[in-house]
Formats: sequence, structure tokens, C-alpha cells
Amino acid sequence: DAKTTQPNSMESNEEEPVHLPCNHSTISGTDYIHWYRQLPSQGPEYVIHGLTSNVNNRMASLAIAEDRKSSTLILHRATLRDAAVYYCILSSSGGSNYKLTFGKGTLLTVNP
Amino acid sequence: NAGVTQTPKFRILKIGQSMTLQCAQDMNHNYMYWYRQDPGMGLKLIYYSVGAGITDKGEVPNGYNVSRSTTEDFPLRLELAAPSQTSVYFCASSTTRTGGYQETQYFGPGTRLLVL
Repeated sequence: DAKTTQPNSMESNEEEPVHLPCNHSTISGTDYIHWYRQLPSQGPEYVIHGLTSNVNNRMASLAIAEDRKSSTLILHRATLRDAAVYYCILSSSGGSNYKLTFGKGTLLTVNP
Repeated sequence: NAGVTQTPKFRILKIGQSMTLQCAQDMNHNYMYWYRQDPGMGLKLIYYSVGAGITDKGEVPNGYNVSRSTTEDFPLRLELAAPSQTSVYFCASSTTRTGGYQETQYFGPGTRLLVL
């Protein structure tokens, strides 16, 4: 399975944008890029996913590099509720596509 | 629509005891999963099921068993509990679109297990 690399931790101030990077240099053409986050003492929750094009939803934006070897999750205005561990995960559209492999993720701290 | 529910929320077991962690979903999802999460670590897949009657091992299946007799329920059985099984256990479910792409996984609130 293709692996992802994320910084262990990042810090942001409330109401400022946050850019969470993820490297996935061995990504294959059929791998989707998923982002999940885990709030303290809760199960993970879906944030966003994409394949090639940039994606936006009500929670965040996903910017995917042209060569797809990296991506960035963008929180446009961080709130205290966005403090969580963010996981960048690759999931193939074929074969064992139903498995998600979670790494350690990035711990995002949001300062008031 | 309750989503994914798990019981119990917390349990203390003595070494050698057994127990079943319950998981249910009301979204008619065909895929269900069990993960464990040790402190400061990511989630590791224990077992998964692609439909009623079909289960398969994940990354860390030793010491656990599962069954999937209905679409809704996916219990995880611990036999002969060991301290190494102290962890937080998450159940999840998802469906797939035509063509095999996996939809979002929805997670339950977790069961915190302490084995002493």
C-alpha cells in the first residue's frame, strides 16, 4: 500500500487559515486521497477526499499537486473545535479498496 | 438514524476473561470494520466484513474473532483477554459505489477496554 507522510504536529491561531500537508510520493493512478480527523475522545470522522482535481466542501478544501505526490488540506478559518488529529489516507479504487490504513496523523492545536 | 453504535463504552476485564464488543449500524452498509487504537497511535484494522456471512482478517487479528450474521451487526469477540489488548476499539461501516470505489467510513464512538 502506498504510504503517506505528515508532520507530527502543527499549531494555528483561531480564525486563521490552516494548511495541513501530506506527502504521498508512491501514490498510484487509482489511489484516492482521503482526509479524516479525530476529535479528542471520539472516533474518526470524514473530512474530504479527492482523486486529481481540487475539492471543496463545507468543512475544508483539498488541494492536490499536479503530479499527485502531495496534497494539502485547507481549513479556511480555524476554530477551537478544529483541534484534532488529521489523517491523510490513500485508498485504491480497486483490489482491497475498502481498507483504510491510518498513520499517526498530524495533531493540530488551535490557539484562542 | 443512529449511525454506528457501540456497546459498552468502557469495560475492565481481568486477564483470561472473555467478552464481546457490540457494534450495530442502521445505514444498510455492506462493509463493516473493527479497529483498535493504542495511546498516541493511529488505528489498526483487526477484522472486516464485506457483507453478511463474509469476514476477513485485517492487520492485527490475533486474539480476536468476529461474526456477521446480519447486515446490521458485527460483534467482536475477545477470548482470553491479555494486557496487550488494552486499547480503544472502534467499529466503522461503509458502502461502495459501482466500480469499487469505497464510500466514506462512518465510525462509532468507541469502546475503551482495560485488561488488568
